Amino acid sequence: DAGVTQSPTHLIKTRGQQVTLRCSPKSGHDTVSWYQQALGQGPQFIFQYYEEEERQRGNFPDRFSGHQFPNYSSELNVNALLLGDSALYLCASSPPGQGASEAFFGQGTRLTVV
Amino acid sequence: GQNIDQPTEMTATEGAIVQINCTYQTSGFNGLFWYQQHAGEAPTFLSYNVLDGLEEKGRFSSFLSRSKGYSYLLLKELQMKDSASYLCAVRERAAGNKLTFGGGTRVLVKP
Repeated sequence: DAGVTQSPTHLIKTRGQQVTLRCSPKSGHDTVSWYQQALGQGPQFIFQYYEEEERQRGNFPDRFSGHQFPNYSSELNVNALLLGDSALYLCASSPPGQGASEAFFGQGTRLTVV
Repeated sequence: GQNIDQPTEMTATEGAIVQINCTYQTSGFNGLFWYQQHAGEAPTFLSYNVLDGLEEKGRFSSFLSRSKGYSYLLLKELQMKDSASYLCAVRERAAGNKLTFGGGTRVLVKP
């Protein structure tokens, strides 16, 4: 079992550009959540996908969008990048059901905006 | 919304015990998670509590009191590799599987 996998691991982009980050959930998991973690802080929830639809959204602007595919993998897109978007982007997957007792994270994508 | 508080930093000696506290305020509690995160790496799942009481997993234990909005993570027989940040996260009933994290507690283990 490969666990949660994310790509790429590191990325450098210029202000104003667009970026797409990818996540494959753990086998048997159907819910994918995306988090942004700035240095020295806890992860902040961006949004969650289930059954190919955005189910929950945190306090992030519309520049942040996502998608979930039929195989449960997911993408996070960020448009018009700002310097403040530099962070570790984490994907977490969880199994079916509201009361899942596990939520596993991928290794993250370190995005640097210059 | 939720408010989750944990100390910013703690220092302990190798072989000792450290207790990391987490207090939270939420409407519709539906589980509390603890994660370990080494610098530059992703969080690693440690424990999950949804009912009151103590959950033990080897050197790590986690306690929950729902009436007090309080949890702690207990690390015993500290090892140098336990130096990391420890994240407390709460899930609300109305929020699916969304987790709200505290700012993390950085634990430094000294020889």
